[in-house]
Formats: sequence, C-alpha cells, structure tokens
Amino acid sequence: EPEVTQTPSHQVTQMGQEVILRCVPISNHLYFYWYRQILGQKVEFLVSFYNNEISEKSEIFDDQFSVERPDGSNFTLKIRSTKLEDSAMYFCASTRGAGEVTDTQYFGPGTRLTVL
Amino acid sequence: AQKITQTQPGMFVQEKEAVTLDCTYDTSDPSYGLFWYKQPSSGEMIFLIYQGSYDQQNATEGRYSLNFQKARKSANLVISASQLGDSAMYFCAMRGSSDYKLSFGAGTTVTVRA
Repeated sequence: EPEVTQTPSHQVTQMGQEVILRCVPISNHLYFYWYRQILGQKVEFLVSFYNNEISEKSEIFDDQFSVERPDGSNFTLKIRSTKLEDSAMYFCASTRGAGEVTDTQYFGPGTRLTVL
Repeated sequence: AQKITQTQPGMFVQEKEAVTLDCTYDTSDPSYGLFWYKQPSSGEMIFLIYQGSYDQQNATEGRYSLNFQKARKSANLVISASQLGDSAMYFCAMRGSSDYKLSFGAGTTVTVRA
C-alpha cells in the first residue's frame, strides 16, 4: 500500500541553523500539508500546498518557514533560523483529491526535530 | 473556524471489551468531514475512520465505528473487542468546506489492560 515517507526520522540542530525536512507524498496525490506536534500537545496545521502554491497557512507559518516541491516527488519544509520552540514532531500529509472535505489526509511517520 | 473537543485525557479498558472515545465539534461550515487518527508510542499518525456531515449512516471500519450525532455535534469513536495493540493516543479531527486544514482535538490516551 502506498504511503507517505519522511526523512530524516530525527534531526538535531543548533539554534539559528537552517533545517530542511523532506517528504515524499503518495504518488498520485495532489494536495500536500505540513503539521507539527510539540511534545504532549495537539497536532497543529502549518501549511497546505497545491499546484505549486501555498493554498492555506497558519499563524505559525511565518517568514522563517518555507515549502517547496523541487521535483515531481519531493515536498520540503525549510526552517531558516531554528528556535528552541521549533522543537517538535513535524508531519507531512497528502490527499488524493482536489481538496474536498471527504479527502482523507494520509500522514507520514514524522520527523522529530530537536533544537539545542 | 473549526473547533474539536476531546474531554477524556486518558482511559483504561480491559482487553476484549469495547471503549468509547468522546469527540464534540463546532463549525459554521454546512459541509464537513470528521476523522479519527491513532498515534501509537512510535509517533506515526494512522488514519482510522471517516464520517461525512451528510452521511446518513454511521461509519464503520473493522473494529472501529463512529457514533455520529449531528444535532449534538458529536462524533464518538467506538473500538470494539479491544486488543493490547490498541493502546495509543487517539485524535479526533475535522475539516470544514471553508478550509484545507485538519483541526485536531487534544487527544485521548487509551491503555488496554490484559
């Protein structure tokens, strides 16, 4: 069964450094998402992406964050200058359809980002 | 904006028994979808079951079923015949027709006892 993959599974970085989290969505999916989950807290939406454009973003997704689909398979989240509070699990998700409420978002296994 | 409330931080259930996880929601969107995800200790998010706001029947998926009461704005998950592998955090989430994102509840931790 096709699945969303994410690399790396765990990233440790120093405060102020740039990190790139990588995701490979399910191959025939059209919508892509990033969420984060600070330890012990609820899952929070960051951004959605469709047709090479951001379709929606949250207040968390400020100028320090960017997303890109550099080729036909990868979807990346970049954090330009990491802060301690960016430490969290970051999930990538994708949906097959054109953004209907019925479309199930399938999540990757997550990347645990630790900022020291 | 969508709001999801899960009031049970943690629950214990005996193996082979059923457990109901509560979820209430609030939205002004006429059309919406409700989802349940399972997060085991390993951290991944596993999709379990979906209910559409216009669906006439409650959704079922194996041992998972959804008790959808639209007038009460509740979408409770029922896990029947609990197994030790069901021990995990369970999140209720929804998506309205006005946005793309899933809004999540705080989650309920289920611990299945042998």
